[in-house]
Amino acid sequence: QKEVEQNSGPLSVPEGAIASLNCTYSDRVSQSFFWYRQYSGKSPELIMSIYSNGDKEDGRFTAQLNKASQYVSLLIRDSQPSDSATYLCAPSWDNMRFGAGTRLTVKP
Amino acid sequence: DAGVTQSPTHLIKTRGQHVTLRCSPISGHKSVSWYQQVLGQGPQFIFQYYEKEERGRGNFPDRFSARQFPNYSSELNVNALLLGDSALYLCASSLAPENEQFFGPGTRLTVL
Repeated sequence: QKEVEQNSGPLSVPEGAIASLNCTYSDRVSQSFFWYRQYSGKSPELIMSIYSNGDKEDGRFTAQLNKASQYVSLLIRDSQPSDSATYLCAPSWDNMRFGAGTRLTVKP
Repeated sequence: DAGVTQSPTHLIKTRGQHVTLRCSPISGHKSVSWYQQVLGQGPQFIFQYYEKEERGRGNFPDRFSARQFPNYSSELNVNALLLGDSALYLCASSLAPENEQFFGPGTRLTVL
């Protein structure tokens, strides 16, 4: 059983809506997470790191880490067509193990 | 600061040949990881090096090998190429293995 599970999608939202991407994980002592965005044909790009319980905001992006419920999420507010990409989450303790990610499409 | 660089950008080889891919990490980063990515899948972990020592190895055959040099740059070698080795090969660097990774642009390998 994988220790980190990511909702595989695909996820489609209209422009201007909130996109919600989630990962769940098995219990671990140290819990930091990284979110990457990958456009088709390009390499992954780090967009958010979250190291502690709670929310971290960066522009239209908010990462949420809930250690009690063992999930981490990425919210994209006011989604734009340029946000259409595959989003990957990775925990710090096993950050080489990427799943297929969640493919997000933002429709104009 | 320059990001992670990889060379070459594209490469075409024939079955049975070998290939060497190169990666230069971000200055100050001591950890380098290699990934293979085929269409529709996430990056598949091949190797991780930290301080010039192998820290991890993914589920790849022995035809795949790598090393890290004193300046922390790295090479990935693949021998006896198969058609199935055609993929985007990604290199990522980080300060240490548990830190966030920064990816290079990748090398697109085509095996004919």
